Amino acid sequence: DQQVKQNSPSLSVQEGRISILNCDYTNSMFDYFLWYKKYPAEGPTFLISISSIKDKNEDGRFTVFLNKSAKHLSLHIVPSQPGDSAVYFCAASVGAGGTSYGKLTFGQGTILTVHP
Amino acid sequence: GAGVSQSPSNKVTEKGKDVELRCDPISGHTALYWYRQRLGQGLEFLIYFQGNSAPDKSGLPSDRFSAERTGESVSTLTIQRTQQEDSAVYLCASSSRGGGNEKLFFGSGTQLSVL
Repeated sequence: DQQVKQNSPSLSVQEGRISILNCDYTNSMFDYFLWYKKYPAEGPTFLISISSIKDKNEDGRFTVFLNKSAKHLSLHIVPSQPGDSAVYFCAASVGAGGTSYGKLTFGQGTILTVHP
Repeated sequence: GAGVSQSPSNKVTEKGKDVELRCDPISGHTALYWYRQRLGQGLEFLIYFQGNSAPDKSGLPSDRFSAERTGESVSTLTIQRTQQEDSAVYLCASSSRGGGNEKLFFGSGTQLSVL
């Protein structure tokens, strides 16, 4: 039962262009969403997050969009840089309040390659 | 240390043997998680520790898997009678309080290969 899905296993983008990574979820109880970035032989590192009360969150070159009605979120990277080449995981959790904890459900990941 | 530390970084074992994986969380972090990532798949939740509360073991795939945590420090994940399907990267993460909107800090993982 894949509750968080990243249907594109890979994405290739030219340096300077926009990278758009997509993620779909099925569990309507999810109310907090995160993107993690992973380089080879390293653990995932937190990139950006969004609460379900928002539809957009921006941090520098990274913007996450949330469409609750479609149960879809996306990560935009503008402009893309070769150093952004990594595996990107979206993740979701239930209960962003203090009574819950950070048990995350992850997607399968998308390999982003940014060409110089 | 500054980050989450896991050991060993690589472990090759024979089917049927027991293995023990270690995680040192960030100092002061009360919440600790184990995840695993099998080849081509996303991260799969295994177990969660928070302070002195009973751990959430709901993600452990079988009774061959167990984990312990000493207070708010080191955790060990033990896999008994390993099977080839246990081959994966086992990732440990910690967070400061374990709240639902906290970010997790991951270690580099232990690559387990069961021959």
